[in-house]
Amino acid sequence: GDSVTQTEGPVTLSEGTSLTVNCSYETKQYPTLFWYVQYPGEGPQLLFKVPKANEKGSNRGFEATYNKEATSFHLQKASVQESDSAVYYCALGPPNSAGNKLTFGIGTRVLVRP
Amino acid sequence: EAAVTQSPRNKVAVTGGKVTLSCNQTNNHNNMYWYRQDTGHGLRLIHYSYGAGSTEKGDIPDGYKASRPSQENFSLILELATPSQTSVYFCASGRDNNQAPLFGEGTRLSVL
Repeated sequence: GDSVTQTEGPVTLSEGTSLTVNCSYETKQYPTLFWYVQYPGEGPQLLFKVPKANEKGSNRGFEATYNKEATSFHLQKASVQESDSAVYYCALGPPNSAGNKLTFGIGTRVLVRP
Repeated sequence: EAAVTQSPRNKVAVTGGKVTLSCNQTNNHNNMYWYRQDTGHGLRLIHYSYGAGSTEKGDIPDGYKASRPSQENFSLILELATPSQTSVYFCASGRDNNQAPLFGEGTRLSVL
């Protein structure tokens, strides 16, 4: 079945430094890839999604490129802020499939120190 | 603004008891989902629905039932709750297959 592997947390870093959260996936299909972010006490919310290989998604300074050859979708941000402290989930969804069921990774907790 | 509302937000149940978690959306979304969130496992799909009257098994359906009596409402039912079902449960909805699911704020369930 489908699976998603991502960086184990917590990842602790200082404001102004760069962030990378690794994500790799396994699937027999040609998926759409997602990054979700979850703040304390809230549900996950979509950061961005990328439906096509070799395309990049971005939002709020975060970006990730859909690398079909490497089956990867690493999340990056050049300069983090304390408000970026959250849990980040990588996920994949089957293309053109009824229900759009997502398979999530285990989540990576990111802590940004002021 | 699109929203998914879950109730209750917190629940304490006894082993062997029946628990019903409720989810409501007024977004006119066809698809609805129930996930559980556990440390080390991330979010895992329990049941989902394509519309009123339909329910489908997700990846971890054992011990759970679902009910979709209307477009707006989707319930998760634990007939005989067990401590292993202690978790945070999230409901989500999506308009169609191309829309990323929109999540509610979660229900924290403790089974003692």
